[in-house]
Amino acid sequence: AQRVTQPEKLLSVFKGAPVELKCNYSYSGSPELFWYVQYSRQRLQLLLRHISRESIKGFTADLNKGETSFHLKKPFAQEEDSAMYYCALGRYGNKLVFGAGTILRVKS
Amino acid sequence: GAGVSQSPSNKVTEKGKDVELRCDPISGHTALYWYRQSLGQGLEFLIYFQGNSAPDKSGLPSDRFSAERTGGSVSTLTIQRTQQEDSAVYLCASSPWTSGRTDTQYFGPGTRLTVL
Repeated sequence: AQRVTQPEKLLSVFKGAPVELKCNYSYSGSPELFWYVQYSRQRLQLLLRHISRESIKGFTADLNKGETSFHLKKPFAQEEDSAMYYCALGRYGNKLVFGAGTILRVKS
Repeated sequence: GAGVSQSPSNKVTEKGKDVELRCDPISGHTALYWYRQSLGQGLEFLIYFQGNSAPDKSGLPSDRFSAERTGGSVSTLTIQRTQQEDSAVYLCASSPWTSGRTDTQYFGPGTRLTVL
């Protein structure tokens, strides 16, 4: 069965500190992994997807099939990064399976 | 262009009443999804419509929940005989359809349902 685990409900860091939001998945096929973000009073929106291999707002995520992980990283956190982050797993053309989410709080 | 819209934005109802939640997807998007978002539970998949195919109802928590999509566009999620545990934010999303990949889902603002 497909499953996404985000072990941290809340991650609190200081501005300028590195950030790593953990995501592990369980899936036997070739997964598509995503990070979605929800800023305060805004809609849930796509942050990045693994096949794009891009950096968005300074965030990157590498798919590690050996460790079945897709951790989200940023070298220097900013206050505007404070939000709820969801890791999601998809199969081609099918629905997404979301993790429970991690609240990131960046303190000044 | 216009994004996904949902109505109402807030709904307060009494236990045992029926409620209807509406979703207007982005024009041209063939896929439509309903999720439930509650504290500590993340995003719970409810139902998925894709074009003219039979919907994937595997996430509906009970037979009190149903959804339909008329004309391949607007969708209505109906909860009958609401219970307090139904209180949550109900999110709708839509996406285009691209063969061989999972497309970006575009979310609506949600409907906050409170069952008293």
